Amino acid sequence: DVKVTQSSRYLVKRTGEKVFLECVQDMDHENMFWYRQDPGLGLRLIYFSYDVKMKEKGDIPEGYSVSREKKERFSLILESASTNQTSMYLCASSLWASGALGEQYFGPGTRLTVT
Amino acid sequence: AQKVTQAQTEISVVEKEDVTLDCVYETRDTTYYLFWYKQPPSGELVFLIRRNSFDEQNEISGRYSWNFQKSTSSFNFTITASQVVDSAVYFCALRRDDKIIFGKGTRLHILP
Repeated sequence: DVKVTQSSRYLVKRTGEKVFLECVQDMDHENMFWYRQDPGLGLRLIYFSYDVKMKEKGDIPEGYSVSREKKERFSLILESASTNQTSMYLCASSLWASGALGEQYFGPGTRLTVT
Repeated sequence: AQKVTQAQTEISVVEKEDVTLDCVYETRDTTYYLFWYKQPPSGELVFLIRRNSFDEQNEISGRYSWNFQKSTSSFNFTITASQVVDSAVYFCALRRDDKIIFGKGTRLHILP
């Protein structure tokens, strides 16, 4: 059974703190993604990665960075959390194969609140 | 520009009714992929279907069916004989280069 896990379901942080969101997949997928989901805006891609140590900016990378040191793990970093980063963060993974790119497997999400 | 529009923000129907979720897309690509995802209250998005642009055949899976029409750039999703467990947010998506563009989603309420 395929699985994507995220380190926390709920997280509360203070403005200015450094925040790490961790995502692990056990499917040996090449691609991994970080999205944020906000009411009325749907899912927006923050960063993605095709392989270890590779990263690509998505549509809204500002204020975020990522790290992929191992194939199964993709971390999202908020260098200095701000209140406008309060959101639901979703991690996903997929195979590299062209048609399979959209068959993403999602984690349960981390609801981050920045106060 | 590549874009996915789900004009219905929220729909409520009574259990056992049929319901159709609309999805309209824009792309300049001749080869593309379309997807539907379901996000139940638990939060985890679940992949439902993938369609490539060369396959316009409609798909049926149990109570779910999908109508892909290139002429109208639509990829609509119908649930027949809806059930309370179908209550969720449904996202339509389009592959753009190496990324997926999601629509804003339609929240579906199935009322008992």
